[in-house]
Amino acid sequence: QSALTQPASVSGSPGQWITISCTGTNSDIGGYNYVSWYQQHPGKAPKLMIYDVTNRPSGVSNRFSGSKSANTASLTISGLQAEDEADYYCCSYTSSTTYVFGTGTKVTVL
Amino acid sequence: EVHLVESGGGLVQRGGSLRLSCAASGFTFTTYWMHWVRQVPGKGLVWVSRIDETGSITTYADSVKGRFTISRDNAQNTLYLQMNSLRAEDTAVYYCVRAIEYGSSRLGYWGQGTLVTVSS
Repeated sequence: QSALTQPASVSGSPGQWITISCTGTNSDIGGYNYVSWYQQHPGKAPKLMIYDVTNRPSGVSNRFSGSKSANTASLTISGLQAEDEADYYCCSYTSSTTYVFGTGTKVTVL
Repeated sequence: EVHLVESGGGLVQRGGSLRLSCAASGFTFTTYWMHWVRQVPGKGLVWVSRIDETGSITTYADSVKGRFTISRDNAQNTLYLQMNSLRAEDTAVYYCVRAIEYGSSRLGYWGQGTLVTVSS
């Protein structure tokens, strides 16, 4: 199972919005609405930000939103803040009953 | 509050074995799927294995199939990962992860991880 494809880096100024893409196949992202997104700060454990494509866990800012079209999922961060600077990973369930993560995207707040 | 504490990591020689543990608290352990995910320092996340609430269903990534065994002790609220025939490429931080919600295996809440180093 190959990793899902994410851009290596995305940047934006405070207050702007950015979008991170996550591209897979019909056997993962395209086949299921089980895409989740995780935020990871340096030296810390990942934190769930979005699950089932669009759902936000309790306590996660509504500045974070998710979507999906065909084999590509996206995470949008609006009103970018300094604390949003981190690595972001997508994850999808697969037809092999396994899970696959994305390659990861480093978000930089300029 | 969900609390997951991994232990058992350390330095092991290539070809050796190690057993990781994950002590769970703050939720009803017996009603959640659990996972192991690993991350080479400075690299991306890689899913390793999952186990259902009763321990009757297990799934593995191809890279560890036949070498790693996931299990759980619901009486002790503990998740395990038995790792045999270890290779240099198994060197990573190993995270214990709880499912998002009851009845689902989607990954939700993470422990802080334990580092496994396989020397060649």
